[in-house]
Amino acid sequence: EVQLVESGGGLVQPGRSLRLSCTASGFSFGDYAMSWFRQAPGKGLEWVGFIRSKAYGGTTQYAASVKGRFTISRDDSKSIAYLQMSSLKTEDTAVYYCVRDISIYWGQGTLVTVSS
Amino acid sequence: DIQMTQSPSSLSASVGDRVTITCRASQSISNFLNWYQQKPGKAPKFLIYAASNLQSGVPSRFSGSGSGTDFTLTITSLQPEDFATYYCQQSYSTPVTFGQGTKVEI
Repeated sequence: EVQLVESGGGLVQPGRSLRLSCTASGFSFGDYAMSWFRQAPGKGLEWVGFIRSKAYGGTTQYAASVKGRFTISRDDSKSIAYLQMSSLKTEDTAVYYCVRDISIYWGQGTLVTVSS
Repeated sequence: DIQMTQSPSSLSASVGDRVTITCRASQSISNFLNWYQQKPGKAPKFLIYAASNLQSGVPSRFSGSGSGTDFTLTITSLQPEDFATYYCQQSYSTPVTFGQGTKVEI
C-alpha cells in the first residue's frame, strides 16, 4: 500500500524558514517524481513544485509564487522528499501535501501557518 | 499558464440526482485532465484520469468525458457520501493547474 506521510509543519514567523518532510512507503521511491501541492484555508489547490526521479535527472520545477524561495530535494536511500521553505510570507499559510508524481497518491497534509 | 474554469462553483442536489460538472481549459490539453473529490479536512481523492478513466476502487456512478478544452464529470444517482468539493486538474504542462472547485451540497 502506497503511503505518504508529511511532517514538519507548524507556526513560523514571516521571513523565517521551515523544512517539510514526506516519508514514503509501499513503492519504489526512487523510480517516481515527487510533487508538493498546497491549499490555503478555505481556498483551492495549488501546485508548488516537483522533483523528477534520478533517472530523469532529478531536476526540479516550481510555481512562480515560490520560485527562488522554496527548494525541493529528495533522499532516495531514505525514501524521503523535502520541501525547504525560506523567506516565508503570510500568504504561504496552507496545508501542504506531498504527492507521488502529480496526481494519484496524496499524503494527509501538514499545516504551515506563517504569522507573527 | 493554462487556466482551468469549472462551472458551477456550487450546486444543490438531492440523493439520487444526476449531477454534471464542467471544466474548461484555456487551451487544448488533449486528454490530460484529472478529477478529484475532496471532503472537509481531508486530502483530495483521485477519481478519474486521462479525462475518462475511472481510478481503481471508484464507484461506477462517476464518469468523465471530453477532450481538447471541454470536459465533464458526471455523477449518476448521487449518494450521501458524494457531497463534497470536486476539482479538475490539467497535467498537460507545468505549472499544473486546477479549477476553482465545485461544491456539491444538499
